[in-house]
Amino acid sequence: EADIYQTPRYLVIGTGKKITLECSQTMGHDKMYWYQQDPGMELHLIHYSYGVNSTEKGDLSSESTVSRIRTEHFPLTLESARPSHTSQYLCASSPPKDRGYPYEQYFGPGTRLTVT
Amino acid sequence: AQSVAQPEDQVNVAEGNPLTVKCTYSVSGNPYLFWYVQYPNRGLQFLLKYITGDNLVKGSYGFEAEFNKSQTSFHLKKPSALVSDSALYFCAVRDPDNYGQNFVFGPGTRLSVLP
Repeated sequence: EADIYQTPRYLVIGTGKKITLECSQTMGHDKMYWYQQDPGMELHLIHYSYGVNSTEKGDLSSESTVSRIRTEHFPLTLESARPSHTSQYLCASSPPKDRGYPYEQYFGPGTRLTVT
Repeated sequence: AQSVAQPEDQVNVAEGNPLTVKCTYSVSGNPYLFWYVQYPNRGLQFLLKYITGDNLVKGSYGFEAEFNKSQTSFHLKKPSALVSDSALYFCAVRDPDNYGQNFVFGPGTRLSVLP
């Protein structure tokens, strides 16, 4: 199992609430990612980061925001949750080029979010 | 642009029979190719990767994959399926000449192994 953690694992919350999904890794990886996974299973990249103070939007437009103040921490925030945000959110990381390139991505266990 | 196709949404196979989950890709140059598995309510787990060398790559849990450059394919195989192999399988590709390029994942294939 990879050393990448996500909390909470499950979250049920009402519309309009602000939520933060936590993701942490203890492997010293520089690149981190957030994916949204459809109920039909396809993965969509919504945010990624190449290192501290670096954040980029992914292929799928998302109303969420991310921050990368510390190497090991990459939280995702929704300012006002809506039912359309109901999904599984997966965090991943990968090592720097000088440590095992070409690298695979390591995934956390995911957060299943339900907005009622 | 890179792309990955998994032509089958669902694959059903009887326990003990060989299984194949198909993947084709499109990338400029030589690709790095990966297979991941996802069990219910879990994240993706790395199975195997092809970087260079032998076209037949062996990975975790008895899985292997064959890289075929002429057919731009990287099919996942296992000689004898187990019920516990039932899961979602994702193929992924990245461009080795572009370190900054992210992974591209296929849409996934649901494998059901029937007892």
